[in-house]
Amino acid sequence: IAGITQAPTSQILAAGRRMTLRCTQDMRHNAMYWYRQDLGLGLRLIHYSNTAGTTGKGEVPDGYSVSRANTDDFPLTLASAVPSQTSVYFCASSDQTDTQYFGPGTRLTVL
Amino acid sequence: LAKTTQPISMDSYEGQEVNITCSHNNIATNDYITWYQQFPSQGPRFIIQGYKTKVTNEVASLFIPADRKSSTLSLPRVSLSDTAVYYCLVVPQRAAAGNKLTFGGGTRVLVKP
Repeated sequence: IAGITQAPTSQILAAGRRMTLRCTQDMRHNAMYWYRQDLGLGLRLIHYSNTAGTTGKGEVPDGYSVSRANTDDFPLTLASAVPSQTSVYFCASSDQTDTQYFGPGTRLTVL
Repeated sequence: LAKTTQPISMDSYEGQEVNITCSHNNIATNDYITWYQQFPSQGPRFIIQGYKTKVTNEVASLFIPADRKSSTLSLPRVSLSDTAVYYCLVVPQRAAAGNKLTFGGGTRVLVKP
């Protein structure tokens, strides 16, 4: 069982480019999340999804969009990347106990 | 949503017990206290959750007094590999996902030889 996988592991991106971070889970969890973590700081919630077909905004949603076409996948898209979006991005899913399981992260640098 | 306050950092030595206290004065009746651990370059990992009194698992113990306004994570006999950031969260029971879960800055624990 892989749990949660994220791709790519890391990426350097030119400002203004579009980028999709991929997240897949095989635990059949209904809820999924995207967080960003800036150097030395805690995690901030970007978007979440309670179940397939629904999404919601977290603490810092601006500049990001998500979709949840099925239970397993929850991609995060940056339509036009800016340097302030340089961060480490973590995807997570949660079971019925609300315990969150995190992926390994994607390190994104926007130049 | 209850705000949590925990120390920014703590140093310890191998073999010692580490206790991290988290304050959550505004905790609601249906809230649980949850702790996550994050190693460098990894995502956070759930370690323990409790509602009241004491909870123990193979990783840690969680002590919650009767008023539930604080909680203490106890790591017994730490080793160098316990160096990590530890986050205290207050989680509503059966919360709607996402915007009710807040990770603060956490406590950076450094275990020295």
